[in-house]
Amino acid sequence: NAGVIQTPRHKVTGKGQEATLWCEPISGHSAVFWYRQTIVQGLEFLTYFRNQAPIDDSGMPKERFSAQMPNQSHSTLKIQSTQPQDSAVYLCASSPGLGGNQDTQYFGPGTRLLVL
Amino acid sequence: QQQVRQSSQSLTVWEGETAILNCSYENSAFDYFPWYQQFPGEGPALLIAIRSVSDKKEDGRFTIFFNKREKNLSLHIKDSQPGDSATYFCAASPNTNKVVFGTGTRLQVLP
Repeated sequence: NAGVIQTPRHKVTGKGQEATLWCEPISGHSAVFWYRQTIVQGLEFLTYFRNQAPIDDSGMPKERFSAQMPNQSHSTLKIQSTQPQDSAVYLCASSPGLGGNQDTQYFGPGTRLLVL
Repeated sequence: QQQVRQSSQSLTVWEGETAILNCSYENSAFDYFPWYQQFPGEGPALLIAIRSVSDKKEDGRFTIFFNKREKNLSLHIKDSQPGDSATYFCAASPNTNKVVFGTGTRLQVLP
């Protein structure tokens, strides 16, 4: 059991470039979550999929950020025209999707994004 | 606004002492409170959790004390070890899968 896999672990982009972050959830898990972690803001919820369908994207910045889950084995978070303030650790988590709020989320190691 | 607040950004204790990490929340709809532990370079991992119908949850050296009326809770780590040095996140959830995290308390246990 490899756990949640995130690639790349580190990414450096120039201002204005696009960044795509990948997440492979634990096999059999039906819920996938994306978070952003910074020293100042802590852990911020971005978006959430269940059975590949987007359920809640209330934390996503409306411009430049998008997330997809084209199949049950991976999800992507895309940031267009990256800005220095996008620099953060982006965490993906998956859960079994058993229902209710006691569905434990298992986190990946994160992708550290640095926008110069 | 910060819906889940952790009163200390950092806490230092000596090995063998009890570390107490405090947390408070605003939303009365929250009824499930997990604590996550995060080591540098890793994602957070669930440590222990409590539902609002309980006032105490114990798992080994880790205990959550919960006060629904005051909307606060605390994580007690008995007999703290240097290996417990990590960042601890208090979190809260209404009856959905969405979890709101506090900003974390960095615990350092000195040998």
